[in-house]
Amino acid sequence: DVKVTQSSRYLVKRTGEKVFLECVQDMDHENMFWYRQDPGLGLRLIYFSYDVKMKEKGDIPEGYSVSREKKERFSLILESASTNQTSMYLCASSLEGRQPQHFGDGTRLSIL
Amino acid sequence: QQQVKQSPQSLIVQKGGIPIINCAYENTAFDYFPWYQQFPGKGPALLIAIRPDVSEKKEGRFTISFNKSAKQFSLHIMDSQPGDSATYFCAAAHPSNTGKLIFGQGTTLQVKP
Repeated sequence: DVKVTQSSRYLVKRTGEKVFLECVQDMDHENMFWYRQDPGLGLRLIYFSYDVKMKEKGDIPEGYSVSREKKERFSLILESASTNQTSMYLCASSLEGRQPQHFGDGTRLSIL
Repeated sequence: QQQVKQSPQSLIVQKGGIPIINCAYENTAFDYFPWYQQFPGKGPALLIAIRPDVSEKKEGRFTISFNKSAKQFSLHIMDSQPGDSATYFCAAAHPSNTGKLIFGQGTTLQVKP
């Protein structure tokens, strides 16, 4: 079974802090994705990566950056956290192209 | 043009009922339409998917109906059970084939015993 592991289930940070969310997948998948999930808005893509050191902006990249130094690990960085970044963050991976995305169980991030 | 619109936002049915969730899209270049199911505290998981060359696909109690001319597709759950209570997301594959998906807004389904 594919396993996508997000480092924290719950995280509380303060406005202005630099925040790191970590995601690791164990299936040698090419593609990795970061989404945020908000009620009534569904899943919105922040960034994705289709290879090591490669990244592309999704639909809502403002205020975020990512890092993919190794194939199995994809990090989401909030450069200077703001209260409007309080949300559920979901990481996903897929083998390639149209293969199913496998999701982690999410990190609920609160910015105070 | 990149949006996928999903309705209703929430749905309550009795056990054995047939909930129907609808999605509509604008971009005719979309060519892969998956549905994901999410239980509380868990990430979404692929439930069933369809390509636009077929009008219907069934997997167990779950059926996708696809209307290419109307640019709409829907999920039907036959003989719904309380264990089907979850949030359901439709999605459409971005035509660039990077694996990028555009998700609908989600529907929270409650099946009452």
